[in-house]
Amino acid sequence: KAGVTQTPRYLIKTRGQQVTLSCSPISGHRSVSWYQQTPGQGLQFLFEYFSETQRNKGNFPGRFSGRQFSNSRSEMNVSTLELGDSALYLCASRQGEMNTEAFFGQGTRLTVV
Amino acid sequence: LAKTTQPISMDSYEGQEVNITCSHNNIATNDYITWYQQFPSQGPRFIIQGYKTKVTNEVASLFIPADRKSSTLSLPRVSLSDTAVYYCLRVGGATNKLIFGTGTLLAVQP
Repeated sequence: KAGVTQTPRYLIKTRGQQVTLSCSPISGHRSVSWYQQTPGQGLQFLFEYFSETQRNKGNFPGRFSGRQFSNSRSEMNVSTLELGDSALYLCASRQGEMNTEAFFGQGTRLTVV
Repeated sequence: LAKTTQPISMDSYEGQEVNITCSHNNIATNDYITWYQQFPSQGPRFIIQGYKTKVTNEVASLFIPADRKSSTLSLPRVSLSDTAVYYCLRVGGATNKLIFGTGTLLAVQP
């Protein structure tokens, strides 16, 4: 069974631009969550989608948004990029309900210059 | 959801057993305790999960006392490749989101 796939692996963007990251969960998994990891703030929860609906949201500005498609693939978008958005963005997929194991992808390393 | 509390770092030598303790004083009835391992520039990897007493798998053991206010991850006979950050999380309740603390950086030396 293929794991969680995130694309692209690396990305360099300029301040003010926008970016879209993609996550393909494990086949059959309906829950996709996104996390931001930086040296200063650690791993922080962005949002979670389940069956195309946003189920949870972290404390991030509205520039961060996401969506999930009917095949459970998810995208997250960051508009008006700031230098502080440079981070490793991780996606995790779960089979469904609470307390089940989360499988993380390798992440997308975003650098804003 | 409150974060859990665990040591910032620990040192060990190859072949030793390592125990990492996590404090979660206000754990909710529906919460499970879950541990993840993370290597640099990789996503976290699930290690083990438990609710009460002891759980063991091929990688680790998890001990949770009756009051569930703390838990201990036990790694038997660590090797250099076990050098990583280990996160203890409460999972469950009204939300499914994972709240990561600072984790414990385990450094295994030869």
